Amino acid sequence: GENVEQHPSTLSVQEGDSAVIKCTYSDSASNYFPWYKQELGKRPQLIIDIRSNVGEKKDQRIAVTLNKTAKHFSLHITETQPEDSAVYFCAASGTGGGADGLTFGKGTHLIIQP
Amino acid sequence: DSGVTQTPKHLITATGQRVTLRCSPRSGDLSVYWYQQSLDQGLQFLIQYYNGEERAKGNILERFSAQQFPDLHSELNLSSLELGDSALYFCASSVAEGGYEQYFGPGTRLTVT
Repeated sequence: GENVEQHPSTLSVQEGDSAVIKCTYSDSASNYFPWYKQELGKRPQLIIDIRSNVGEKKDQRIAVTLNKTAKHFSLHITETQPEDSAVYFCAASGTGGGADGLTFGKGTHLIIQP
Repeated sequence: DSGVTQTPKHLITATGQRVTLRCSPRSGDLSVYWYQQSLDQGLQFLIQYYNGEERAKGNILERFSAQQFPDLHSELNLSSLELGDSALYFCASSVAEGGYEQYFGPGTRLTVT
């Protein structure tokens, strides 16, 4: 089945700086890669996603890039703000569309230092 | 608020018992997914239903079962509970079968004592 590795496990950045979180996946058939943000005690919240026919997608301060050849994708957050502090999870769908559900990485705890 | 609802919010029960968790998807969504979140296992996919039919199975134990009803709400049944079943159980929903854009409910925190 699909395996998703996520790095780093903890990331501390100064407010206003950029943050990058990286993930690799194992199943070349995967074609959907969402990112979720989870605050303490809350639900995972979908913040951005990308499909395999696209190399990059941007939404305001958040962007995701995908390299299908290398089987890795990344989340980029620019101009970080205190409210960006949370745990971020990457995920991949194992059979190209989600019929297996999402396989999640272990999460990255993003800390924004004031 | 994602529009997905789950009840109850918290559940405390003893080993060996059976519990039922309930999920109502967003209006218009036909797919429901169940996930388990624990410190040691992370977020793990359990099972998916689409329009009343089981579509995919993940790491779901034989002691666990689920169903989706004609009104599209879903229930996850956990039986012969063990201490290790203590976790947050989330359901998510999406419009189509393919799993894109899954929106999570607030979760049910299960504590087995």
